[in-house]
Amino acid sequence: RKEVEQDPGPFNVPEGATVAFNCTYSNSASQSFFWYRQDCRKEPKLLMSVYSSGNEDGRFTAQLNRASQYISLLIRDSKLSDSATYLCVVNQKDSSYKLIFGSGTRLLVRP
Amino acid sequence: NAGVMQNPRHLVRRRGQEARLRCSPMKGHSHVYWYRQLPEEGLKFMVYLQKENIIDESGMPKERFSAEFPKEGPSILRIQQVVRGDSAAYFCASSRTEQETQYFGPGTRLLVL
Repeated sequence: RKEVEQDPGPFNVPEGATVAFNCTYSNSASQSFFWYRQDCRKEPKLLMSVYSSGNEDGRFTAQLNRASQYISLLIRDSKLSDSATYLCVVNQKDSSYKLIFGSGTRLLVRP
Repeated sequence: NAGVMQNPRHLVRRRGQEARLRCSPMKGHSHVYWYRQLPEEGLKFMVYLQKENIIDESGMPKERFSAEFPKEGPSILRIQQVVRGDSAAYFCASSRTEQETQYFGPGTRLLVL
């Protein structure tokens, strides 16, 4: 079983749509949670951290459910520029704060 | 403030040659992480270093791969006797402390012929 699992997609949505991505993680000792965005052949860039209380940044809302080991990302009013791969990432403190990445969910926003 | 720098951006090697990948962390960052991304896969942790110390190398293949972060100069990921399966994007990330956000460099794309 993968440590972080995501639906690979692709999600193909029209501009203006609302789209939600889900992610599950297997290690209950995971301490920190993030969504990164990766454009084709580019490096991952931090989109937002995810907190238990939920957090919002403009059109993006992230939620964490520790009991279910489940993370979500909601994108409202999708823009063409949102087209990318969204990576669910957890951070475990064992010997280091290494990041554990999901394989990513691909989003395509069409005109 | 320059971001994380990696060079070369693209590297082509023939089987059996050596590959050296360099990473200069952001200014003020002393923690460096290397990750590898195989085609169509997610990033996988390889090694975590602080200046002159390897802290966690649990993701490094047992043979042919080594990493260092000397007191002066960039971090180096070295792959000896490369094979086709080493073809991947290698990303370096740095952070100011081990608990703070990791910022990624643009990556080095290694192609082994």
